[in-house]
Amino acid sequence: NAGVTQTPKFQVLKTGQSMTLQCAQDMNHNSMYWYRQDPGMGLRLIYYSASEGTTDKGEVPNGYNVSRLNKREFSLRLESAAPSQTSVYFCASSEGGGTGAAFFGQGTRLTVV
Amino acid sequence: GENVEQHPSTLSVQEGDSAVIKCTYSDSASNYFPWYKQELGKGPQLIIDIRSNVGEKKDQRIAVTLNKTAKHFSLHITETQPEDSAVYFCAASRSSYKLIFGSGTRLLVRP
Repeated sequence: NAGVTQTPKFQVLKTGQSMTLQCAQDMNHNSMYWYRQDPGMGLRLIYYSASEGTTDKGEVPNGYNVSRLNKREFSLRLESAAPSQTSVYFCASSEGGGTGAAFFGQGTRLTVV
Repeated sequence: GENVEQHPSTLSVQEGDSAVIKCTYSDSASNYFPWYKQELGKGPQLIIDIRSNVGEKKDQRIAVTLNKTAKHFSLHITETQPEDSAVYFCAASRSSYKLIFGSGTRLLVRP
């Protein structure tokens, strides 16, 4: 039972490079989320997708774009990476609605140099 | 928007003692309050949650209490064990697909 799978697990980028973080869930969940985690700041919501075909901004969307490719997959793209985007990124999914339990992936540790 | 404050940031207890972590939230419309445990190098894992129509919920050694009037909720861990050592996060949400997290509490259980 894989749950939420993120790739890659680690990545180092140079400033200005682009990359896409991939996320897939096998729980048939409607909603998917991208969070970033920085020391002492908990988890902050970047973007979310309430259902297939919809995406919305969270608390810290600047510098990111997302695509809900299908019900299973939700990707996060950094078009021009900046050192301030060095963080650990988590994808999560839930059955639907903000009042449903969210299940997280293992995270992607991204360093921008 | 919603703001969630969590205290303390670090907590050290002796094995077998109880641990209490407290959170306050700002949005009176919030109606869902989960707690997550995060072990080193892993993603957060849901350990217990409570909805606004309930004042307390227990699951073995862990319990969560909610005071809607004061807008605060707490996590209680009894008979702590070394494997309880981790970072714990509270979160709050209303029906808007946005879980807002506290800044986390690092719990250390000393053997």
